[in-house]
Amino acid sequence: DGGITQSPKYLFRKEGQNVTLSCEQNLNHDAMYWYRQDPGQGLRLIYYSQIVNDFQKGDIAEGYSVSREKKESFPLTVTSAQKNPTAFYLCASTKRDSTFTDTQYFGPGTRLTVL
Amino acid sequence: QQPVQSPQAVILREGEDAVINCSSSKALYSVHWYRQKHGEAPVFLMILLKGGEQKGHDKISASFNEKKQQSSLYLTASQLSYSGTYFCGTAGGTSYGKLTFGQGTILTVHP
Repeated sequence: DGGITQSPKYLFRKEGQNVTLSCEQNLNHDAMYWYRQDPGQGLRLIYYSQIVNDFQKGDIAEGYSVSREKKESFPLTVTSAQKNPTAFYLCASTKRDSTFTDTQYFGPGTRLTVL
Repeated sequence: QQPVQSPQAVILREGEDAVINCSSSKALYSVHWYRQKHGEAPVFLMILLKGGEQKGHDKISASFNEKKQQSSLYLTASQLSYSGTYFCGTAGGTSYGKLTFGQGTILTVHP
């Protein structure tokens, strides 16, 4: 079955540590996205990539980094520079590089907690 | 700029109807609706394109008023499974490749 997988489901991190969240898709989608969701709030865009080896900052990119070396993979690193990283992180993808008409499909999410 | 959803929360009994609105101050090309259960990923409901198109399936439908830059989601004869948080995501001319999501509307359906 095609879909988006994220791992791990739950992640605990000590302050000052960098952690990497995995996102893999086998839908053959061109574009991939990372969102952050805080309790009771909507989704905020961190980074997005429309093509391999290229990505753009979203609305809240500070303290995060990404790479897009393969079409199916878009890992997100939460660095120690991110002041309040505890949140629910969602990865999504679309078939083409436009969200005007394409459906965004979401992965199951990773819940990150900083201890 | 983030679209504004109203109301923030709705409580219904099974069989009742609800309307959720999503308004933007920017010109929109499309509005995407999602439903999210607690701790899970958002699930796609439908996309509305500019032109005032109304779409729907089963007892959930939506409209897009281009003049008002507003979309409305209609849930009729609600079921327990409709409970969750509903989000609208908007895409406009200057946001190519990005969706901007509203803050969400919490819908609770009781037996």
